[in-house]
Amino acid sequence: GENVEQHPSTLSVQEGDSAVIKCTYSDSASNYFPWYKQELGKGPQLIIDIRSNVGEKKDQRIAVTLNKTAKHFSLHITETQPEDSAVYFCAASEGGGADGLTFGKGTHLIIQP
Amino acid sequence: DGGITQSPKYLFRKEGQNVTLSCEQNLNHDAMYWYRQDPGQGLRLIYYSQIVNDFQKGDIAEGYSVSREKKESFPLTVTSAQKNPTALNLCASSIFGTDYNEQFFGPGTRLTVL
Repeated sequence: GENVEQHPSTLSVQEGDSAVIKCTYSDSASNYFPWYKQELGKGPQLIIDIRSNVGEKKDQRIAVTLNKTAKHFSLHITETQPEDSAVYFCAASEGGGADGLTFGKGTHLIIQP
Repeated sequence: DGGITQSPKYLFRKEGQNVTLSCEQNLNHDAMYWYRQDPGQGLRLIYYSQIVNDFQKGDIAEGYSVSREKKESFPLTVTSAQKNPTALNLCASSIFGTDYNEQFFGPGTRLTVL
């Protein structure tokens, strides 16, 4: 089955700086890669996703890149703000998510004022 | 939380007791999912259902059971056979039948064994 590794487990950055979270996956058939943000006491919220036919996708301060050859994908957050502090999860799926997602273990992002 | 309701928010279970967690969605989604989240761990798939009256085991189905009698509802029963049930249990739903299926999550039920 699919295995997703996520790094780092904790990331502390100064407000206004950029943050990068990296994930690798094992199943070359995976074709859907969403990113979720989880705030304390809440369920995960989808923030951006990328599909295997695209190399990069951007939404305001958030971008995701995908390297299918190397089987890794990354989340980039620019101009970080205090409200970006949360736990971020990457995930991968072979069937576009229909059969469920395989998640990384999460990155606790801390924005220092 | 995108129209997904989970109840209760906190649930306490005694040893040897079965408990049922509720998940309801009003998004008209066909597919529903249950994930378990342990501290410091990612989410792991317990069960999923793509249509009414049909469901499939996920990666960690042992000790759990589900039913899908209505499109809107996907209750999860944690049986006494589940050896380490203390966890946050998250329900999700998505459209089914398209190429890519964005999953929307509820707030979760935190289950604790007394």
